[in-house]
This record gives sequence, structure tokens and C-alpha cells, in this order.
Amino acid sequence: SSELTQDPAVSVALGQTVRITCQGDSLRSYYASWYQQKPGQAPVLVIYGKNNRPSGIPDRFSGSSSGNTASLTITGAQAEDEADYYCNSRDSSGNHRRVFGGGTKLTVL
Amino acid sequence: QVQLVQSGAEVKKPGASVKVSCKASGYTFTSYGISWVRQAPGQGLEWMGWISAYNGNTNYAQKLQGRVTMTTDTSTSTAYMELRSLRSDDTAVYYCAREDSSGESFDYWGQGTLVTVSS
Repeated sequence: SSELTQDPAVSVALGQTVRITCQGDSLRSYYASWYQQKPGQAPVLVIYGKNNRPSGIPDRFSGSSSGNTASLTITGAQAEDEADYYCNSRDSSGNHRRVFGGGTKLTVL
Repeated sequence: QVQLVQSGAEVKKPGASVKVSCKASGYTFTSYGISWVRQAPGQGLEWMGWISAYNGNTNYAQKLQGRVTMTTDTSTSTAYMELRSLRSDDTAVYYCAREDSSGESFDYWGQGTLVTVSS
């Protein structure tokens, strides 16, 4: 079982806004990072820290956090955003181990 | 440019060991940590552990303690992950990933190494 909980699947109409959430006690103390993974490919970092995007990640991707929930928002979803999304953070044990959420399959309709 | 290049696919029998390598280039190897992440077929990502390329300190996922060893060779800028007593549920794609300078995200990933455990 994962200490970070994500909805297994979310869908969004092309061009609309979608929020993918990640819940866990450790998120009260640590930021989440978010990864996009397309079939057969390695994950790609899309959001880290408070709300930072690596170079090359479109500005339609943004991150936020409140209490025990971190969110990844895609504003104006594109067909190429269809992928699995994973959150990651420290676990809640205080030993600096890391944990991934179970992942959310995003479908762009 | 930063690159992490992993070793090729492996097929192992149950009970055997596997050692996967991850050769880094394009940055100062000892300035960043490396985490290992695996993904079983059709499943999500699982963090396996972390090693400091600076001093070799490690931090392993509790479920893998005693079966996994992570090492580095700073002379070749290569990280290694060895998993022992392999079982069928260790069949997965294994990734190495560089931790960013804040240690809070994985900013570069290797291409992945498929390890198949089968009798």
C-alpha cells in the first residue's frame, strides 16, 4: 500500500482544465513532485517544490498544496498530456525515505 | 547535457542476483544523489532506495532491506544496484534517477532496465 493516495483514473475534455490530487500525511511537511509517464517511456519530472517547472515543461502545468493534499493542475489539456501521473514525496516515518503515489491515468477526451 | 545510461536487459532465475549499472555524464557525479525506482509490468512506480554519490551513504526502502545494495564508482561516474534472492515479483523495469540539488525531486532518469525473473 502507498502512503500517498491518488485517484486511479481521471478524464478531461480537450482544452479543459483538470486537477490531479495526491493525499498523504507527509504532505503537511514536504512538497510533492510530479512525474508524467507515457507508455514505454521513463517518467519525466513536470512539477517540483512549491510550484516549479523544469525547463521545457509547458506552463499549462502547475502545482499547489494545502494541508495533506498536493495537486497537479493542467490548464487547457492537450492530447499529448494523456499519460500516467505520479506524485512523490518523503514518507511519514521521518527517516527520509521516499514514496510514490499509486498513479493517476489521465485520459484526454 | 545530463545523461543516465543503464545496462541492458537481464533474465535471471529465482534465487539469483542481478546488478544493474547507471552511467552518468554531463554533470559532476559526486554533487548529486541517485535513487533507484522500479516498475512491475502494468503497475506503478516503487522507490527502492537512494545513495549519495558524494560519500556513499544509503537509505533503502524497508521492504527491500537486506536484499538490496547500492554502490557507486566515482572513477567512472557509475551507480550500481544489486538485488539478491530474486523472486518472480521482482520482475520489473528498474530505473536510476538523479535527485536534484535540493534533494526533493528526480530531475533526470535513465532509460530503464528490464529484469525478468523466471525459471
